Amino acid sequence: TQTVSQSDAHVTVFEGDSVELRCNYSYGGSIYLSWYIQHHGRGLQFLLKYYSGNPVVQGVNGFEAEFSKSDSSFHLRKASVHWSDSAVYFCAASIWPNYNVLYFGSGTKLTVEP
Amino acid sequence: DAGVTQTPRHEVAEKGQTIILKCEPVSGHNDLFWYRQTKIQGLELLSYFRSKSLMEDGGAFKDRFKAEMLNSSFSTLKIQPTEPKDSAVYLCASRLGANQDTQYFGPGTRLLVL
Repeated sequence: TQTVSQSDAHVTVFEGDSVELRCNYSYGGSIYLSWYIQHHGRGLQFLLKYYSGNPVVQGVNGFEAEFSKSDSSFHLRKASVHWSDSAVYFCAASIWPNYNVLYFGSGTKLTVEP
Repeated sequence: DAGVTQTPRHEVAEKGQTIILKCEPVSGHNDLFWYRQTKIQGLELLSYFRSKSLMEDGGAFKDRFKAEMLNSSFSTLKIQPTEPKDSAVYLCASRLGANQDTQYFGPGTRLLVL
């Protein structure tokens, strides 16, 4: 059973465009969701997280994500991308009662063209 | 502040060799994780330590993989004997300790087994 799925393996946009990277989860209980970014040859860097409260969460570098229980989604958005946003983005979830284990999606490679 | 450091950054091994990967977590962090990253399987949890105690050992990796945390600021991952299918990027991450805290990742060690 795949807890987290990222339907788009690759997304290409132009600099200045808006972008949405999709993440869906399959779990009916308490869930903790986060997004990480991985630049080529580097480790993962935390972008943002959601556990409860306001479903729209703000992250670093202008990223935000919105949690939707009805859609089982936690899509990542940015209003205006920069070439430096080119990277692989991973959605991750941890589920009750074992919040220690992070289940990662397969990743979406974002390419921002000039 | 120093982030998570991993050494070596690259390792090439012959099949059957023993290799040891090293990780230093963020100072003061109580939890440490080892992950394996491949294109096909994505990110897989190998081990999880809390305050130097092994909490999760990633069942599928038990036989040839052994992670240890010798003190709160140093961990090793030993693969013995190595096989070509072990070729991957091995990521170490640490976090302060609470279940929903952010994980901070190191740059990874890229292992190639010939």
